[in-house]
Amino acid sequence: GQQLNQSPQSMFIQEGEDVSMNCTSSSIFNTWLWYKQDPGEGPVLLIALYKAGELTSNGRLTAQFGITRKDSFLNISASIPSDVGIYFCAGQPPSSFQGAQKLVFGQGTRLTINP
Amino acid sequence: DAGVTQSPTHLIKTRGQQVTLRCSPISGHKSVSWYQQVLGQGPQFIFQYYEKEERGRGNFPDRFSARQFPNYSSELNVNALLLGDSALYLCASSQIADWGLYEQYFGPGTRLTVT
Repeated sequence: GQQLNQSPQSMFIQEGEDVSMNCTSSSIFNTWLWYKQDPGEGPVLLIALYKAGELTSNGRLTAQFGITRKDSFLNISASIPSDVGIYFCAGQPPSSFQGAQKLVFGQGTRLTINP
Repeated sequence: DAGVTQSPTHLIKTRGQQVTLRCSPISGHKSVSWYQQVLGQGPQFIFQYYEKEERGRGNFPDRFSARQFPNYSSELNVNALLLGDSALYLCASSQIADWGLYEQYFGPGTRLTVT
């Protein structure tokens, strides 16, 4: 089945630094989504990408849908303390309209920020 | 607008028991998906329901079942609980687009502990 390899697994940075994380797969995906999850809570949608090559920003966050449809990256600029949490990439594999529209998740990147 | 709601927040059960988890989607969303998130991992797809019909099922045993009601709320049932069923169970709601691309919004989850 489809698998997503997310890296790095963890990051320890100073406040104000930029952050970059990515997801890769051997399978293609129709949609890439990036979520942030805080302890004890559900994932919160940050950015959605629908077309190969698409580059989308949401405030200090920028994400891109890889040209091959097998990868995506997320950048966070000028990190602040509230950026701490676990970031997940999720891909929607190709399926027919009548098929399940499931998401396949990466293993997550845990971001820690030193003030 | 209210987001996805789930109940209960926490649940403790004994091996062999049965459990029912509940989810109410965002108003106007007709699709509900269930995911299992084991500590330290990304969510794993269990079911998707759309217009009260099962659209797809992940790699989970028949002990897991679900249904969707006319008001689009959903229940996830797990029978004969095992210790390995301990996890955060997440519900996600979405609209369905004709081209199959969509965004999923997650609830806060139900933390199930099996002892």
